Amino acid sequence: GAVVSQHPSWVICKSGTSVKIECRSLDFQATTMFWYRQFPKQSLMLMATSNEGSKATYEQGVEKDKFLINHASLTLSTLTVTSAHPEDSSFYICSARPPVGAAKKSAKNIQYFGAGTRLSVL
Amino acid sequence: GESVGLHLPTLSVQEGDNSIINCAYSNSASDYFIWYKQESGKGPQFIIDIRSNMDKRQGQRVTVLLNKTVKHLSLQIAATQPGDSAVYFCAEFGNQFYFGTGTSLTVIP
Repeated sequence: GAVVSQHPSWVICKSGTSVKIECRSLDFQATTMFWYRQFPKQSLMLMATSNEGSKATYEQGVEKDKFLINHASLTLSTLTVTSAHPEDSSFYICSARPPVGAAKKSAKNIQYFGAGTRLSVL
Repeated sequence: GESVGLHLPTLSVQEGDNSIINCAYSNSASDYFIWYKQESGKGPQFIIDIRSNMDKRQGQRVTVLLNKTVKHLSLQIAATQPGDSAVYFCAEFGNQFYFGTGTSLTVIP
């Protein structure tokens, strides 16, 4: 399957600092990427949809000024957690979806996931 | 998206037995479904998918069954192995992509 790289895999930061997480699609161009948050023993919660060259679409309840998303190229989306606080500690996962036509018909809506980033805010 | 942060149900099976993991989906317009496996501390991995024009699809040791009448999806794992221990999520795609709550599978050696 396709490869999505996420970096860093784990970051520990002080409260009040900002943290940037990168998500790269390595073998396809992704016009759409997704950012999820996952608490221990819970399902993935979609935070926002990142669209290349345009503003991200945030889910209800997600602060767009808190979680800045930039999708400047077809292979890179970044999530910046601004002024992080302990309650922001979580597992953040990105995914990328191949553009229509790039994947076989049966998998046209498939999402490939990064390995996730564990954020620990002290 | 409407992924709901509920605590995961669990399933324990003996090594070598077959496992069945169930998922109920909500959107009758969903036409594409995926099962993902997520090991601890890692991102979800694609296992198998199925479109709504099918009711069964088989992979290597895994089978997905789709019952559109009752909006139910299941994942069957044959001869479950310790390496199958993980959390399994179903995902449905209609106009948007939604994850199910997931099931934590533990394989007992």
